[in-house]
Amino acid sequence: EVQLVQSGAEVKKPGESLKISCKGSGHSFTTYWIGWVRQMPGKGLEWMGIIYPGDSDTRYSPSFQGQVTLSVDKSISTAYLQWSSLKASDTAMYYCARLGYSGYEADQWGQGTLVTVSS
Amino acid sequence: QSALTQPPSASGSPGQSVTISCTGTSSDVGGYKYVSWYQQYPGKAPKLMIYEVSKRPSGVPDRFSGSKSGNTASLTVSGLQAEDEADYYCSSYAGSNNPRVFGTGTKVTVL
Repeated sequence: EVQLVQSGAEVKKPGESLKISCKGSGHSFTTYWIGWVRQMPGKGLEWMGIIYPGDSDTRYSPSFQGQVTLSVDKSISTAYLQWSSLKASDTAMYYCARLGYSGYEADQWGQGTLVTVSS
Repeated sequence: QSALTQPPSASGSPGQSVTISCTGTSSDVGGYKYVSWYQQYPGKAPKLMIYEVSKRPSGVPDRFSGSKSGNTASLTVSGLQAEDEADYYCSSYAGSNNPRVFGTGTKVTVL
């Protein structure tokens, strides 16, 4: 069974750094792109970027370029999303997803990681 | 890159059909066959319902169908059931410099 298991909820203060994770199992982790999606409270879905675990090729959505960093550790089938300096506006649910079928759609999703940034 | 435009809401009675539109540009929806649709219940992760405009993943009922004309894609839910009440989002490939773009989302209500 294909699974993406994300790290637990985080509560942080503005200016702090954070790295959340997404561990894949049940499939060849290095041969599928992994995408990250933000959902702010009560709002819609937003693509943040995608990363190919095989060679770490990364593409960021323009709105998120320079704001976050995507990375992978293929030795442990884990993708990461990190911030160097959180803002209150980063408060959201973050999902990772596998881009399967043709590689252009998210066919498997993690359960989500809730990040709360508050002073 | 702006979000694709969807109507905020749509509704229908059980057994009826509802169609949701997703309007983009020639740089996304109109330029590629990679339009997908997602269903999301409150507090849950999205679920893929349609990919490549009109293909259904295994396990998705054939009541769900997709199509595209020009810069507008559509999702039709036929034979509405109570369990179809959810938020629906379209997504499109938008070129190598912009991984993907989502629609604004549509809340479907079963009356």
